[in-house]
Amino acid sequence: NAGVTQTPKFRVLKTGQSMTLLCAQDMNHEYMYWYRQDPGMGLRLIHYSVGEGTTAKGEVPDGYNVSRLKKQNFLLGLESAAPSQTSVYFCASSPPARGGNTEAFFGQGTRLTVV
Amino acid sequence: DQQVKQNSPSLSVQEGRISILNCDYTNSMFDYFLWYKKYPAEGPTFLISISSIKDKNEDGRFTVFLNKSAKHLSLHIVPSQPGDSAVYFCAASRSSNTGKLIFGQGTTLQVKP
Repeated sequence: NAGVTQTPKFRVLKTGQSMTLLCAQDMNHEYMYWYRQDPGMGLRLIHYSVGEGTTAKGEVPDGYNVSRLKKQNFLLGLESAAPSQTSVYFCASSPPARGGNTEAFFGQGTRLTVV
Repeated sequence: DQQVKQNSPSLSVQEGRISILNCDYTNSMFDYFLWYKKYPAEGPTFLISISSIKDKNEDGRFTVFLNKSAKHLSLHIVPSQPGDSAVYFCAASRSSNTGKLIFGQGTTLQVKP
């Protein structure tokens, strides 16, 4: 049972380059999320999706785009990478928040460095 | 504006003693609270949760207490073990709000043998 899988695990980009982070989940979850973790800041929500074909902005969406073409996949894109986007990125998924019990399952993270 | 705050960046306790991690929140609309544990180079893993209709939830060595009037929750680990050494994140959500989790900054717990 793979759970949530992120690709790649590590990446170094030059300023201005673009890249896409892939997240795949095999739990048939409706909801998926992208977070970034920075020292002293905890995890901050970038974008999220409540179902196939839908996306919405989170707390820190600027500089990122996302797509959810298939239920099991959630892509995070950086069109023109900046040093401020150096971070550890986590994808997560969860079943719908009916009744308030929403445990999110996280991937192992992608460490991105922009130089 | 930080809606969920963990004001202690780190905590060190002796093996066998109690660890108490604290978390404060400002948004009274939050109705579900979770604790996640994170080891280096791994993703956060769910530890324990509590609904706003309760004031305590216990799971083995882990107990979460919720004080709604003070907008405060705490995680108690008894007894603490060296394997508990990790970063602990407090998170909050609104059940009507697509399950989005708002996280605190994290507290690094070190349990010394």
